[in-house]
Amino acid sequence: GAGVSQSPRYKVTKRGQDVALRCDPISGHVSLYWYRQALGQGPEFLTYFNYEAQQDKSGLPNDRFSAERPEGSISTLTIQRTEQRDSAMYRCASSLDGSYGSPLHFGNGTRLTVT
Amino acid sequence: GESVGLHLPTLSVQEGDNSIINCAYSNSASDYFIWYKQESGKGPQFIIDIRSNMDKRQGQRVTVLLNKTVKHLSLQIAATQPGDSAVYFCAENRGAQKLVFGQGTRLTINP
Repeated sequence: GAGVSQSPRYKVTKRGQDVALRCDPISGHVSLYWYRQALGQGPEFLTYFNYEAQQDKSGLPNDRFSAERPEGSISTLTIQRTEQRDSAMYRCASSLDGSYGSPLHFGNGTRLTVT
Repeated sequence: GESVGLHLPTLSVQEGDNSIINCAYSNSASDYFIWYKQESGKGPQFIIDIRSNMDKRQGQRVTVLLNKTVKHLSLQIAATQPGDSAVYFCAENRGAQKLVFGQGTRLTINP
């Protein structure tokens, strides 16, 4: 079946611009997660949702980062006034219900480059 | 601070040999651990998990061992194949569905 889908695959933007990254989770998955992964590093937690409710946003670096999942399905991660340090791979994941034994399924990510 | 880490950044093995990838963790309260495999250009892929009330769990060609006394986790891959080449991450579930990943070990297979 279809996995987690992220778009765009690549995004190049100029410093100061806003960007919106989209995640379409596996159908029926309750939990949706955003991670950021630097080259050669493991993914770093940003935020997660159960249904449409944002449960934890403690990993968002600062208030330029926000995420929403208004209908409990597709999610958008928005970065305002982008900076070069925001350049990274942004990964979305979903799980059936977030419980133990309900593994995270990751998408192929959006590679963001801020010039 | 507390973290999940790995002993070695790279591991090279002969095709057909067994591979052992190690991971150390420092949060003694952690009760759930997961191994992920990440191939080039792809997202991490779930391999196997283990809860802290177990010390061993087996899957297809993979075994995860957990030693809570020394806070050590290992992934064993039997009869390593070229398709096993990837970066392997251990991850620790710190509750509230928040995974903390280690730095990763790159496994390369020699023909």
